[in-house]
Amino acid sequence: AQSVTQPDIHITVSEGASLELRCNYSYGATPYLFWYVQSPGQGLQLLLKYFSGDTLVQGIKGFEAEFKRSQSSFNLRKPSVHWSDAAEYFCAVGSNAGNNRKLIWGLGTSLAVNP
Amino acid sequence: ETGVTQTPRHLVMGMTNKKSLKCEQHLGHNAMYWYKQSAKKPLELMFVYNFKEQTENNSVPSRFSPECPNSSHLFLHLHTLQPEDSALYLCASSPAAADTQYFGPGTRLTVL
Repeated sequence: AQSVTQPDIHITVSEGASLELRCNYSYGATPYLFWYVQSPGQGLQLLLKYFSGDTLVQGIKGFEAEFKRSQSSFNLRKPSVHWSDAAEYFCAVGSNAGNNRKLIWGLGTSLAVNP
Repeated sequence: ETGVTQTPRHLVMGMTNKKSLKCEQHLGHNAMYWYKQSAKKPLELMFVYNFKEQTENNSVPSRFSPECPNSSHLFLHLHTLQPEDSALYLCASSPAAADTQYFGPGTRLTVL
């Protein structure tokens, strides 16, 4: 079955510390992978995406993610977290099958940042 | 105004009311989506429209009725809702049906 797992429901880091949010997927076809961020009361903002090519993807706000096919993972990283990064982070996987890119979503990881 | 906008941002309605949610995208996209976001559940795709034609109805109850008059506007008409329908309703758009989706801020719906 197709699925996305974000193993960490909640993470707390100190401002300035490094961050890694985990995302594992189970998907039969070649996946397209996304990370979105949601601030309280807001919609989802695209951080970065992987379609093909270089497996290390750079996104907005200093985030990056690495696609590891052998581990079925697409972990999100940031070298130094800012207080404004506190939000909910969602990983999603989809394909280009058919006319719709149906995205399969993880449950999200809530990030808190200590001053 | 840029991006994807949604109105109202908050809505409280009784179970017998009829209301509508509106979504507008200013990105020139051709595909639009309605999602339901509930606590502790994955994001649920409800409907997909591609060039104004509905291409996906993810077994959504008939008390939710979408309308897409053109590629820039999407509505979700609500009637006789249940308390369990309380959630954040998100609209998204993409250049084409198989492209990256861009989301609006959502409408927080509370059904009393």
